[in-house]
Amino acid sequence: GAVVSQHPSRVICKSGTSVKIECRSLDFQATTMFWYRQFPKQSLMLMATSNEGSKATYEQGVEKDKFLINHASLTLSTLTVTSAHPEDSSFYICSARVVGHDYEQYFGPGTRLTVT
Amino acid sequence: GQNIDQPTEMTATEGAIVQINCTYQTSGFNGLFWYQQHAGEAPTFLSYNVLDGLEEKGRFSSFLSRSKGYSYLLLKELQMKDSASYLCAVSDSNYQLIWGAGTKLIIKP
Repeated sequence: GAVVSQHPSRVICKSGTSVKIECRSLDFQATTMFWYRQFPKQSLMLMATSNEGSKATYEQGVEKDKFLINHASLTLSTLTVTSAHPEDSSFYICSARVVGHDYEQYFGPGTRLTVT
Repeated sequence: GQNIDQPTEMTATEGAIVQINCTYQTSGFNGLFWYQQHAGEAPTFLSYNVLDGLEEKGRFSSFLSRSKGYSYLLLKELQMKDSASYLCAVSDSNYQLIWGAGTKLIIKP
């Protein structure tokens, strides 16, 4: 149980375009989902916390107008990278917290974004 | 501020034992996690400690001392597939995970 999926697993896009990444909890409900970014050889960096039915909470330094997060249901959160630039190329990982189990987070497999 | 410290890189020999340390200073404590991350993949859960002491799970064990703000991950009978980064993370008072930078473990034959 507690499986989180992400789609797509890899995406290559041109500079200036937008990319949407989906994060789904497949067999459980997640009131809270987290979006992380990881650059090569670095640790995870929390970008934002997404709560179902409310606005996401962004970490300091993360542009909310550039990284649009929508948590429309208890099983789906989306991250849209708008007007992507090469510096946005990174590994984006989502995780989901199980309802009623605040200490558990389950990670999706990640999405490798390359902006050319 | 909140801080998690762990060594950047460690090297060990196949079949041996290695201990990866993690020290932390956080606002509140709701448990400490160890994750394994292979290159290009998402982290996978290894262990969770919220009380002091040793938790053993097969070849992997995790220890916690809350009074010292200290944990370690112990890997026994090392295998080549254990080559990965090991991430220490602490759940703070808001249940938000504070991440260490990770320890890259290199296993040599």
